[in-house]
Amino acid sequence: AQTVTQSQPEMSVQEAETVTLSCTYDTSENNYYLFWYKQPPSRQMILVIRQEAYKQQNATENRFSVNFQKAAKSFSLKISDSQLGDTAMYFCAFQEAGANSKLTFGKGITLSVRP
Amino acid sequence: DGGITQSPKYLFRKEGQNVTLSCEQNLNHDAMYWYRQDPGQGLRLIYYSQIVNDFQKGDIAEGYSVSREKKESFPLTVTSAQKNPTAFYLCASSRLRRGSYEQYFGPGTRLTVT
Repeated sequence: AQTVTQSQPEMSVQEAETVTLSCTYDTSENNYYLFWYKQPPSRQMILVIRQEAYKQQNATENRFSVNFQKAAKSFSLKISDSQLGDTAMYFCAFQEAGANSKLTFGKGITLSVRP
Repeated sequence: DGGITQSPKYLFRKEGQNVTLSCEQNLNHDAMYWYRQDPGQGLRLIYYSQIVNDFQKGDIAEGYSVSREKKESFPLTVTSAQKNPTAFYLCASSRLRRGSYEQYFGPGTRLTVT
């Protein structure tokens, strides 16, 4: 079974600065997908970014980028130019490639952006 | 507007009563899911359905039941057998995109059982 670990329960960053959220996972699969979801105080889950394991290039979406290290089974999220609206819980998630569409989530990290 | 709706947003029940949480989507997604969220626990999968009239247990299915009679609807019943039903429940649906099943979530239902 796959496991996803987010070891930092909370982080804080000054507005306009950069912050990195860590995530590690454990799997014996070679093909899979990784995701970061954001859950703001409204509790609406929002997909932030995804990464295909077969791609060496790290995914980017505007101010959000990942550092995907397949051998180390590490998948960190970097938020550049942090904004107050980035204050949220962030969840890392794993999905096997293939027909099974289940996601396995980490426990999440609470990020606070200070003005 | 396409999306996933969950109703109601807040639900209160007495212990011993069954309660059904609604989840509807008009995104034409084949797969739907139910998650439970507790503080410090992340999201845990209760049940999922990849096609109409078929569903599978997730990691914490005990005390819950589901049905999938229509593509658009995936209601979750929290039975009296669920020992700790008070939680935030999230419904999701997914589509196949670029090889993976990206999940999209509803706004959630906060269930309180006293």
